[in-house]
Amino acid sequence: EVQLAESGGGLEQPGGSLRLSCAASGFTFSTYSMSWVRQVPGKGLEWVSYISSSSSTIYYADSVKGRFTISRDNAKNSLYLQMDYLRAEDTAVYYCMRGYGGYFDLWGRGTLVTVSS
Amino acid sequence: DIVMTQTPLSSPVTLGQPASISCRSTQSLVHSDGNTYLSWLQQRPGQPPRLLIHKISNRFSGVPDRFSGSGAGTDFTLKISRVEAEDVGVYYCIQATHWPWTFGQGTKVEIK
Repeated sequence: EVQLAESGGGLEQPGGSLRLSCAASGFTFSTYSMSWVRQVPGKGLEWVSYISSSSSTIYYADSVKGRFTISRDNAKNSLYLQMDYLRAEDTAVYYCMRGYGGYFDLWGRGTLVTVSS
Repeated sequence: DIVMTQTPLSSPVTLGQPASISCRSTQSLVHSDGNTYLSWLQQRPGQPPRLLIHKISNRFSGVPDRFSGSGAGTDFTLKISRVEAEDVGVYYCIQATHWPWTFGQGTKVEIK
């Protein structure tokens, strides 16, 4: 089955770090661009970061630039988001998403990150 | 950054009646390659988003033909010809022409 499965969310203190993972299965992960998108519970969607299939192109939203690092391991069919210097406003459900150019055809179910003391 | 403005933010609709959502961008979404990367997503309660429409008017695989997209430049519309109970949820437009990609605020479709 073609799917994405996020993990690694949880409760962290402000200033702390978390590493999210997204495991891909059922498709050739290495040929797809990937992104992270987040959603504060009950609120709208916010694009966070993008990585091309070969990791040669990476973009970040200004709100996370310098604090978050996106990466991928095509041999392990996995996407990652290293989140450092966490803030309360980073509290959200984090989704991994496949695609580029608006063709966002596959989403995971999300993992909840809560930043609170 | 491109700001995407959706109207209305809430749309109570009678079953079987049409619904329409507008999405307006602060800049043209025509890419240098000639394409317009404007998509529509649906998020049902408790579910992740799913792709409905890409490049203004292209329905994604499996999306019912009661969903249609139109528009150009900075003004775009998603229409549901006859709303069904399973269409309840929040609808988002997203532009993927310019970095950073940006979403509209979302429009909640509910049954009257």
